[in-house]
Amino acid sequence: SSELTQDPAVSVALGQTVRITCQGDSLRNYYASWYQQKPGQAPVLVVYGKNNRPSGIPDRFSGSSSGNTASLTITGAQAEDEADYYCNSRDSSGDHVDVVFGGGTILTVL
Amino acid sequence: QLQLQESGSGLVKPSQTLSLTCTVSGDSISSSGYSWTWIRQPPGKGLEWLGYVYRSGSTYYKPSLKSRVTISVDRSKNQFSLKLNSVTAADTAVYYCARGFWSGFHDTFDIWGQGTVVIVSS
Repeated sequence: SSELTQDPAVSVALGQTVRITCQGDSLRNYYASWYQQKPGQAPVLVVYGKNNRPSGIPDRFSGSSSGNTASLTITGAQAEDEADYYCNSRDSSGDHVDVVFGGGTILTVL
Repeated sequence: QLQLQESGSGLVKPSQTLSLTCTVSGDSISSSGYSWTWIRQPPGKGLEWLGYVYRSGSTYYKPSLKSRVTISVDRSKNQFSLKLNSVTAADTAVYYCARGFWSGFHDTFDIWGQGTVVIVSS
């Protein structure tokens, strides 16, 4: 199966903009979905598809994609955005259905 | 509002079978177009998709685990279940059930259970 690669850790100053990236061959064919996970909690979907947000997710979260890289952008990061972020996509490397997750990015809001 | 709740054995001996159930409330598991999914997270590590089942009973499993995993749906109880056999310590994780959907362009999991801890130990 193919892999999705994320930077292990990223930091952002309060109120600034941060981009979290996810790289992998499968992203040339499929969109990523993005999840936020806070300590001791289940992941929460924040962005999916081309650039869709579930109800209740602030519009400071947005998604984009180019080539083999998907990005989650937080415009005006807030203290409550400090969390782990994971991407996932369908894996396109085989003739079977497989779903892969990135290794996760720890976001620190300074 | 849709909610998912995992239940099952929290401690499993090596070589035995891990069994978990996810109870769906607030909507029918027979709702069209959704997959019913199991995802796990070992301590301090990332997420791993295990597989999903559709209301029809069609299943898709992670290829590397396919020989050990069974996911099934019980529409009469509005539940779906996970069985993982021949477990080892490497199967120790938080196990999440989730609702998913496939658009043709993205596999997305929009509603998650709170997760249940499973420890494999003698």
